[in-house]
Amino acid sequence: DTEVTQTPKHLVMGMTNKKSLKCEQHMGHRAMYWYKQKAKKPPELMFVYSYEKLSINESVPSRFSPECPNSSLLNLHLHALQPEDSALYLCASSQEPLSALSYNEQFFGPGTRLTVL
Amino acid sequence: GESVGLHLPTLSVQEGDNSIINCAYSNSASDYFIWYKQESGKGPQFIIDIRSNMDKRQGQRVTVLLNKTVKHLSLQIAATQPGDSAVYFCAENGRGAQKLVFGQGTRLTINP
Repeated sequence: DTEVTQTPKHLVMGMTNKKSLKCEQHMGHRAMYWYKQKAKKPPELMFVYSYEKLSINESVPSRFSPECPNSSLLNLHLHALQPEDSALYLCASSQEPLSALSYNEQFFGPGTRLTVL
Repeated sequence: GESVGLHLPTLSVQEGDNSIINCAYSNSASDYFIWYKQESGKGPQFIIDIRSNMDKRQGQRVTVLLNKTVKHLSLQIAATQPGDSAVYFCAENGRGAQKLVFGQGTRLTINP
């Protein structure tokens, strides 16, 4: 299994809803990432988990709450989102966290297309 | 501050021709670079990477060139095919940093 899977593919939610995005990989990767991508823009890093611990939070609003239940799973809990949060949310994983000692590619999932009404 | 940018936002080439996509970066500490391809409705797909101790690396129909003197990265695609139509992003990782910084992207269109 050499892929990152994400569910759901599409999600429409109201501003008062609570929903979760899910990401899964079975490549034994120890780093996992959440990115947000607006149309015609590059992916923007949101969170990094290294060995199941949150290592980077790029000053993301608290209405986005990441969770890493185990080394294969990564969730993004959504609550009280705004219409401007509508975007493609990408999950990625890499064998090891990026560091001075480790150069390894990030594998991306297909993303969840989120629309906030 | 750090930035990774591209010279051209769009590029059109004839099928069968070679294409070159350019990327400029400003972080002199960057030591790992990746090119990703993103097709419509899909996540970015790894194409090729290069470390700063190299200036050229070749894959299948693709070549990445790195010029550290002028902080410039390019992706060459040989004999382009319709399936090469996509947005191409360069990304860089600074030494010790735990994240990739992405460039703005170039949309490559292959004309029949």
